[in-house]
Amino acid sequence: GEDVEQSLFLSVREGDSSVINCTYTDSSSTYLYWYKQEPGAGLQLLTYIFSNMDMKQDQRLTVLLNKKDKHLSLRIADTQTGDSAIYFCAESLPLDTGRRALTFGSGTRLQVQP
Amino acid sequence: DTGVSQDPRHKITKRGQNVTFRCDPISEHNRLYWYRQTLGQGPEFLTYFQNEAQLEKSRLLSDRFSAERPKGSFSTLEIQRTEQGDSAMYLCASSSSHQGNTEAFFGQGTRLTVV
Repeated sequence: GEDVEQSLFLSVREGDSSVINCTYTDSSSTYLYWYKQEPGAGLQLLTYIFSNMDMKQDQRLTVLLNKKDKHLSLRIADTQTGDSAIYFCAESLPLDTGRRALTFGSGTRLQVQP
Repeated sequence: DTGVSQDPRHKITKRGQNVTFRCDPISEHNRLYWYRQTLGQGPEFLTYFQNEAQLEKSRLLSDRFSAERPKGSFSTLEIQRTEQGDSAMYLCASSSSHQGNTEAFFGQGTRLTVV
């Protein structure tokens, strides 16, 4: 079955690193994504990682994937107040299932304190 | 093209009324998705189109819900006989199947309140 889980809340101080964690259950996921949602807004794709990779870095963002444990994390370096938002982890299923939609976690609210 | 656009941004309706939302995807995108998001939750998949064909519907999509994408461009989502439980943010996303592109871009959403 499909289930994506995240912790609900994370609070950090400005300038510190933030680490948001996610676990998923479907081992056949091909891509795993991180989306950011600010209040009243749609979802913004931050980054994604292919399942045969274990790390991807993009400026202040580092994604780590442990496929054995089905664990995904997003590290934000030098966290800024503008990073305050809800972060969603999402997985997609392989094309041969016919299913191409994303399954999202419940989101982690990141609060950055000045 | 500035991205995925949805209309209206907000809709308040009385229980039992019908509502229709529109989504205009990114112009070169052949895939279009509808999701529903309730407070404190992540988006939940409702339905998916590739061009004009509706290829998948979630079990969340009751008989009161219908979606169309008549010319493979914009899409509409209609809810008939709305119920208070339909209150949510309805999100549209689009993506391209070409060259293995996997990125889905989301619109701002239509927030529905059923009173």
